[in-house]
Amino acid sequence: DAKTTQPPSMDCAEGRAANLPCNHSTISGNEYVYWYRQIHSQGPQYIIHGLKNNETNEMASLIITEDRKSSTLILPHATLRDTAVYYCIVRANTGYSTLTFGKGTMLLVSP
Amino acid sequence: KAGVTQTPRYLIKTRGQQVTLSCSPISGHRSVSWYQQTPGQGLQFLFEYFSETQRNKGNFPGRFSGRQFSNSRSEMNVSTLELGDSALYLCASSLGLQDPKNIQYFGAGTRLSVL
Repeated sequence: DAKTTQPPSMDCAEGRAANLPCNHSTISGNEYVYWYRQIHSQGPQYIIHGLKNNETNEMASLIITEDRKSSTLILPHATLRDTAVYYCIVRANTGYSTLTFGKGTMLLVSP
Repeated sequence: KAGVTQTPRYLIKTRGQQVTLSCSPISGHRSVSWYQQTPGQGLQFLFEYFSETQRNKGNFPGRFSGRQFSNSRSEMNVSTLELGDSALYLCASSLGLQDPKNIQYFGAGTRLSVL
């Protein structure tokens, strides 16, 4: 699986949009971009994923650049409960469910 | 629908002992994966089981083993515990390729402390 690079930490004010970047310059054509988050002392939680088109669900939006070498996770109106470590993961859907986690981005949402 | 259940939540063992952790996946999920999380190494993949067969394995010593039963429940075992085995052990289940999204759903984990 391709390697990802994320900033170690980011801050965001409550109610504002949080934009979390991820670089995956070695991504292959059949690899998807997945985002998970881990709130302190809990197991990771799936947020969203995409291949090349932008995606939106009830939790977030995912913007993938045209060359697919980077992406941005957008939390449109961050709340204190969004404080967590966010992981960007690149994975091909070949049958294995294995996720390769990097260090992620610690997002701190403040009042 | 019940989520992924891991037992016990907390465990304290001493060096040299062995330990068995249990994971009950979401009903209908046949794939179970295990991960180890430590402050130094982060989240690392241990192994994945599907229909009682181990089909993927991470880079861990043979002291770490697992199995999956016919009802998809899974156990992992660590023998001859070392201090460095202290970690949060996470289990995740999924439908595998039956789910086009191939999402993994995680349990709350078992916190193992080795003294």
